[in-house]
Amino acid sequence: TQLLEQSPQFLSIQEGENLTVYCNSSSVFSSLQWYRQEPGEGPVLLVTVVTGGEVKKLKRLTFQFGDARKDSSLHITAAQPGDTGLYLCAGGRIQGAQKLVFGQGTRLTINP
Amino acid sequence: DTGVSQNPRHKITKRGQNVTFRCDPISEHNRLYWYRQTLGQGPEFLTYFQNEAQLEKSRLLSDRFSAERPKGSFSTLEIQRTEQGDSAMYLCATAGFLISTDTQYFGPGTRLTVL
Repeated sequence: TQLLEQSPQFLSIQEGENLTVYCNSSSVFSSLQWYRQEPGEGPVLLVTVVTGGEVKKLKRLTFQFGDARKDSSLHITAAQPGDTGLYLCAGGRIQGAQKLVFGQGTRLTINP
Repeated sequence: DTGVSQNPRHKITKRGQNVTFRCDPISEHNRLYWYRQTLGQGPEFLTYFQNEAQLEKSRLLSDRFSAERPKGSFSTLEIQRTEQGDSAMYLCATAGFLISTDTQYFGPGTRLTVL
């Protein structure tokens, strides 16, 4: 059973379009991390959100943590080919454990 | 470069052989994690060290897997009698002293292929 469900799993859009990726769970997390991963490389941290309802912006990327700290979203405005990659959400501190629990990822392709 | 480093980056081995991977953490990070990632999936937790103490192990970590962090700095992950199902990307991540901070920083990974 996947504790964190990401949707969509695959997304292919044209350059300049907007998109939203969702990360949902029935469990409460103390924090949510978003990572981006290129083929053959490790995940690179984009952002950590820790407060329910928190919104963080990173250039054209907007991250939101749900009020109940069970879900998160990543919105990209005016997508560019350089945004192509695997986007992973990861929940921290479930049931007091130190590990991160990852979603299965969203593979995003931005076509020029 | 002061990020997390992992060696080797790629390892090809025959079934039944033993392999060992090394992770060097970000300087002064006392928490170190190992994860495994198979194709099309997110990383799955394997084990966690705080300084030199191994505090948590996943049920995924069979008896053939062992991890050490002898001086609380670098860590090694050994797989004995490798099986084809062990083929995966093995990722190391580290985090700083503040237990309240969940943020982990990942290394580039070691890609293992078992023939």
